[in-house]
Amino acid sequence: DGGITQSPKYLFRKEGQNVTLSCEQNLNHDAMYWYRQDPGQGLRLIYYSQIVNDFQKGDIAEGYSVSREKKESFPLTVTSAQKNPTAFYLCASMGRGAFFGQGTRLTVV
Amino acid sequence: QKEVEQNSGPLSVPEGAIASLNCTYSDRGSQSFFWYRQYSGKSPELIMFIYSNGDKEDGRFTAQLNKASQYVSLLIRDSQPSDSATYLCAVKIGGSNYKLTFGKGTLLTVNP
Repeated sequence: DGGITQSPKYLFRKEGQNVTLSCEQNLNHDAMYWYRQDPGQGLRLIYYSQIVNDFQKGDIAEGYSVSREKKESFPLTVTSAQKNPTAFYLCASMGRGAFFGQGTRLTVV
Repeated sequence: QKEVEQNSGPLSVPEGAIASLNCTYSDRGSQSFFWYRQYSGKSPELIMFIYSNGDKEDGRFTAQLNKASQYVSLLIRDSQPSDSATYLCAVKIGGSNYKLTFGKGTLLTVNP
């Protein structure tokens, strides 16, 4: 099946720990995006990438890092510098519109 | 001014009525506009996209774009309880290095 796969669905992070969220797509899309959604809020752009080995900061990049070594993959690392990481994280790839994965719910414990 | 603005609602309509959702954007160079539906706890799903001024219809949904007024809307005819969700407006901003920016969404409730 064509689509976008995010894993894990739920993730728990301890204080001071880095965690990496996976995002894989087989839609052959060049552009990929990471968004964060807090309860009752819209989607805020963290990072985006138009092409392999290149990416740009979005509106809330502080405390996050990404890589784009393969067209299919765009992992997001939530670092210990992100002081309030509890949120719903959404990865998307862009064709005629953005298509989303199922999301990862990250909780700090 | 925020790049994409929506009335947060909630918007409540009776079953069978027309629901009207509105969105304004600040970048006059924006070329592509999208409407997404998001059910609680789920990821957004694309409903419609529109590039040209005027109306675009798909089943019960009609997207309307007015670039001069920097305004895009979504009409849902014959609203059903299953249409109850948050509706997100998104705008593609920028040239070759474009980004997709979302509004905060409008919560729609369709009452049986």
